[in-house]
Amino acid sequence: GAVVSQHPSWVICKSGTSVKIECRSLDFQATTMFWYRQFPKQSLMLMATSNEGSKATYEQGVEKDKFLINHASLTLSTLTVTSAHPEDSSFYICSATGVMNTEAFFGQGTRLTVV
Amino acid sequence: GIQVEQSPPDLILQEGANSTLRCNFSDSVNNLQWFHQNPWGQLINLFYIPSGTKQNGRLSATTVATERYSLLYISSSQTTDSGVYFCAVDLFYNQGGKLIFGQGTELSVKP
Repeated sequence: GAVVSQHPSWVICKSGTSVKIECRSLDFQATTMFWYRQFPKQSLMLMATSNEGSKATYEQGVEKDKFLINHASLTLSTLTVTSAHPEDSSFYICSATGVMNTEAFFGQGTRLTVV
Repeated sequence: GIQVEQSPPDLILQEGANSTLRCNFSDSVNNLQWFHQNPWGQLINLFYIPSGTKQNGRLSATTVATERYSLLYISSSQTTDSGVYFCAVDLFYNQGGKLIFGQGTELSVKP
């Protein structure tokens, strides 16, 4: 299967600071990447859809100014959590799909803790 | 919106036992995937199965799209099978790969 790498795996930051999370497709070109959020003991909720070279599409209720998404190339999308607060603490995970296939492959996830 | 329901929510098995996990969905789907989330949070792709039956070792899956359900079979379970199993669907009118997840089945296999 295709490989998606996410970095960092975990991060602790102070309240009010910004954190950038990277999602890379290592062995295929990802025309579309998706960002999800997962709270403890809950399912994954889609936050936004990221297409290379265009603005991200955010799901209802997700603040686009707080969760900045950039998809600058066919192998890299980034999620920046701006002015993080303790309630932003969560597990963030990205997925990617290729040009010819709609099967989604996921990164390892990033556990964000805001103190 | 579409509802994706998984059952049972929790399952405890003795090593070597078999089990069936179910995923019901309320609308036509373009695709359905099964995942295993390990204790570190990584989602492992198990099956990409919009319809039909597939097998991979001790695991197999069947999706009956016309009746809007999918089943994941685990045979001869092992302790390493423990974790949360998710099914996820994407809709015909949505972008491919944009997944809606069920709530998951948490499986615990005891030695």
